[in-house]
Amino acid sequence: AQRVTQPEKLLSVFKGAPVELKCNYSYSGSPELFWYVQYSRQRLQLLLRHISRESIKGFTADLNKGETSFHLKKPFAQEEDSAMYYCALRTGGGNKLTFGTGTQLKVEL
Amino acid sequence: KAGVTQTPRYLIKTRGQQVTLSCSPISGHRSVSWYQQTPGQGLQFLFEYFSETQRNKGNFPGRFSGRQFSNSRSEMNVSTLELGDSALYLCASSSEPTGANQPQHFGDGTRLSIL
Repeated sequence: AQRVTQPEKLLSVFKGAPVELKCNYSYSGSPELFWYVQYSRQRLQLLLRHISRESIKGFTADLNKGETSFHLKKPFAQEEDSAMYYCALRTGGGNKLTFGTGTQLKVEL
Repeated sequence: KAGVTQTPRYLIKTRGQQVTLSCSPISGHRSVSWYQQTPGQGLQFLFEYFSETQRNKGNFPGRFSGRQFSNSRSEMNVSTLELGDSALYLCASSSEPTGANQPQHFGDGTRLSIL
């Protein structure tokens, strides 16, 4: 069965410091990985998808199949980055997503 | 474009009752998925519908069911409610049933409380 692990429930960094939110997955097939973000009092929204290899709001994430990881990184954290971040895995056909438990990122001034 | 709309936003029920939640996807989206979010279990996939057919199903008991109408609107029903069904129920829509280039868009959810 597929599984997504986000080991940190809370990550606190200072403004301007680098950020790395960890995500590891377990899946025997070809994975599709996503990062979703939920800002305070807003709905869950897509931040990144591995297939696009894009940078959104300064965040990047690289799929490492050898380490089965999809860590989210940003070189310089901003106060507006404070939010809940979820890593998600799509498997097989359709839109079934398996989510990690989420990491609350707090950027302090 | 209007986003995914879920109604009602809040619902209070008692054990043993049943409940129906509604989701209107983004116009033109034909895939609708449902998730349950709880503090203990996080976000868990319930089921997905596309063109009025259930395409995927999560590991929930048969008390949880859903359907999709010809206009892509979807409903989920929970019968014989239990205290553990208290959760935020999220709906997500996508323009296609699969394909990495088609992200899912989430609604604000319906918060269901069981007394």
